[in-house]
Order: sequence, then structure tokens, then C-alpha cells
Amino acid sequence: SQQGEEDPQALSIQEGENATMNCSYKTSINNLQWYRQNSGRGLVHLILIRSNEREKHSGRLRVTLDTSKKSSSLLITASRAADTASYFCATGTGANSKLTFGKGITLSVRP
Amino acid sequence: GAVVSQHPSRVICKSGTSVKIECRSLDFQATTMFWYRQFPKQSLMLMATSNEGSKATYEQGVEKDKFLINHASLTLSTLTVTSAHPEDSSFYICSARDADRGNYGYTFGSGTRLTVV
Repeated sequence: SQQGEEDPQALSIQEGENATMNCSYKTSINNLQWYRQNSGRGLVHLILIRSNEREKHSGRLRVTLDTSKKSSSLLITASRAADTASYFCATGTGANSKLTFGKGITLSVRP
Repeated sequence: GAVVSQHPSRVICKSGTSVKIECRSLDFQATTMFWYRQFPKQSLMLMATSNEGSKATYEQGVEKDKFLINHASLTLSTLTVTSAHPEDSSFYICSARDADRGNYGYTFGSGTRLTVV
């Protein structure tokens, strides 16, 4: 089974609203990262949270991590049409390890 | 910031031919590079991990003779899809890791859309 399962699979909101995306994983991790992908493009790193951290902020982004539940959430506040993209969580098990990606969430922000 | 250049961005080739995709780290040395494949509306599936100067490590189910990976320098890795077939049509993305940046060191290329006709 795939590490990193996001929900919902697709999310459509109005500009200005907050968007919350969740990710669950199955194995022990060293860190969890969120990435953004615009259609047909590569991935852009958004935020990283270490396994010993519970919450982290970066601009309009807020990520939480609950290692007991093996889950993470990404909150985008005051969404903009430009936030429309696919969002992926990825887990890493160590500094030298590969990343394992979830299925992704398609976010549509209506102007 | 770290930049990874991936070329070409799009390629159309005939069935049976080979296609080479390049991945370059422009401003850092990438001791490790990763190659992913992504089908429409799906996640990234890791194909292989390559370390400079050594053979690539392929994920289970990935044919190493079909997807040739070369990581001859600290700034360049190439993926060659040999004897391409329509089912190889996909979006291929590379990622280069800057060891000096630890867990933050993963930078992705912009991807290559391969269409085999």
C-alpha cells in the first residue's frame, strides 16, 4: 500500500476561504513534507515538519503533525485563485532517504 | 535557491526508438538524484535512485534495461527510455538532493512529458 494518503482527493473552495488537506501514512518517519504541483509542472517544496515537531507555520501555510495518529494536515488560509494546484505530502525516513509521495489533492480556488 | 533543470520538457517519439532525458543541478552538487514517473491525476512513483559514480538502485517492478540511468557527475543524471512503447508515455520528473541541506535538500525538475506514438 502507498505511504502517504491524502484526503480529500479534490477540494473546491471560494477565494478567501481556508483550505484544509489531510495526509495519513503508515510507517515511522523522520519528516513529512508538503509539495505543490501546478498542472504539467514539477514540484515545489512548501514546508517540512520533523517528527519531533507538532506544528509549523510559513506565511499562509500551517502544517500539523500527529505521529500517534500518523497523520498531518496542511492549512492554507485566505486562499487565492493562484493557490489552485495539486498538493502532495511526502514522507522521509532519514536524511539520506528517498521520499514517498501520497496520491495528492487537487485544490481549486474559485475567484 | 537550488535549481534543477530538466530537458526536454516535451518529447514525442516513434515506437521502438530511444529517448534521453537530462536532469542537471545548476547551483549545487547532487550526490543523489531520483527519477519519478507520474500518470495523469496520479501520484509520483519512484523509479530509481542514482548516486554519482555508482549504479542506480531501481524500485521493484522497474525494468533497469529499459530505463537506463546514468549519474556520471555531481550535476548531471540522465534517464534513457530504450525501445519506447506507447505504454511508456508518461510524465517523468527528476529530483536532485543537495546533501548539505539535509531533509530540505530535495529539488525537483519541471518534468518531461513523453509521448510515444
